[in-house]
Amino acid sequence: ETGVTQTPRHLVMGMTNKKSLKCEQHLGHNAMYWYKQSAKKPLELMFVYNFKEQTENNSVPSRFSPECPNSSHLFLHLHTLQPEDSALYLCASSQGASGSYEQYFGPGTRLTVT
Amino acid sequence: GIQVEQSPPDLILQEGANSTLRCNFSDSVNNLQWFHQNPWGQLINLFYIPSGTKQNGRLSATTVATERYSLLYISSSQTTDSGVYFCAVGRYSGGSNYKLTFGKGTLLTVNP
Repeated sequence: ETGVTQTPRHLVMGMTNKKSLKCEQHLGHNAMYWYKQSAKKPLELMFVYNFKEQTENNSVPSRFSPECPNSSHLFLHLHTLQPEDSALYLCASSQGASGSYEQYFGPGTRLTVT
Repeated sequence: GIQVEQSPPDLILQEGANSTLRCNFSDSVNNLQWFHQNPWGQLINLFYIPSGTKQNGRLSATTVATERYSLLYISSSQTTDSGVYFCAVGRYSGGSNYKLTFGKGTLLTVNP
């Protein structure tokens, strides 16, 4: 248990569905991240939030919509996804968002888009 | 951006053997982490080691920041060590450089 939880752990959705991924951190950190891990590819950073403010959007399509209501919770809202969006989505947190702080990861949500 | 190269890409060992995994990076860094990704996808923090040497049980790591590489040593390997090992580096250069850049990983298989 790393102090970062994600729900659901597995999700199957159709291309017309709307769903949300949830992440919660219990470490008192100020920064939270969404990463995408596709088969045979390195982890890709999607979004960064620092003190609830989005500080980076790494050219992510608008069908992915993040929300950070407070420093402990992070959501990723999904709508009209494509089959190529099937991947493992990982949430992480760190004390700060400067790139020099140790990041801790949740267990991930394995998403399949049919 | 920073380039991260890990070697070897794949490694097969017999239980009890020792191994060394390498991570080369292309620029100075403030952060270097080693992770183990288990078969269920969980990334487990092994070391936060932007420089120096650390040890944790059968695992140890050394980062030589001036030469831009890090090594992860696994001694007396066990089948539970199987999985993908990632090196990730981060550097703060002002502005919005918030990224941890990951290597492609080393897939380790330890056979009984």
